[in-house]
Amino acid sequence: DGGITQSPKYLFRKEGQNVTLSCEQNLNHDAMYWYRQDPGQGLRLIYYSQIVNDFQKGDIAEGYSVSREKKESFPLTVTSAQKNPTAFYLCASSWGGSGANVLTFGAGSRLTVL
Amino acid sequence: AQRVTQPEKLLSVFKGAPVELKCNYSYSGSPELFWYVQYSRQRLQLLLRHISRESIKGFTADLNKGETSFHLKKPFAQEEDSAMYYCALSHGSGGYQKVTFGIGTKLQVIP
Repeated sequence: DGGITQSPKYLFRKEGQNVTLSCEQNLNHDAMYWYRQDPGQGLRLIYYSQIVNDFQKGDIAEGYSVSREKKESFPLTVTSAQKNPTAFYLCASSWGGSGANVLTFGAGSRLTVL
Repeated sequence: AQRVTQPEKLLSVFKGAPVELKCNYSYSGSPELFWYVQYSRQRLQLLLRHISRESIKGFTADLNKGETSFHLKKPFAQEEDSAMYYCALSHGSGGYQKVTFGIGTKLQVIP
């Protein structure tokens, strides 16, 4: 099955702890994205990466970090500096570039800070 | 700045009635626009894109550059159309493409 796998599906964290969300794709896509989905706010871009070893900040990057060491993997770390980390996180990938940049989404990870 | 506006958080229509989900954008370049849909307990997925000028599940959307709009329309709503709909704009420069989403509109089709 080709697609995007996010893990874990649910995650609980104590305040002050960092947590890493996994995103793996086997679609051979170049570009990968992390979004945060909150009720009434839609999807907001956290980080994105067009190629391996390169990534760019999105609109709400503060308190988050990423790496792109392999084409198929784009993990997101939610650090203790993120003031309101409880949210639903979506990973996506695409062929990248202009011209019908269609995103394929994972099933999401729900993070709850206790 | 690039922005996608969906003015309605919730739209309720009766089965068989026409549907129009509004989307306006602000972007100085040539826009690439999409509609994504999220059905209950399913992943967010592409519904249609303006470049294809296609009709998917009876839905169409026309890009109006003069009004900077990309409204989603369907002549007769069906119960299975109930879902969350997001309008999205792909934009960028220098080889970096971002996709900006609106806040979404929940479509509720009343039987």
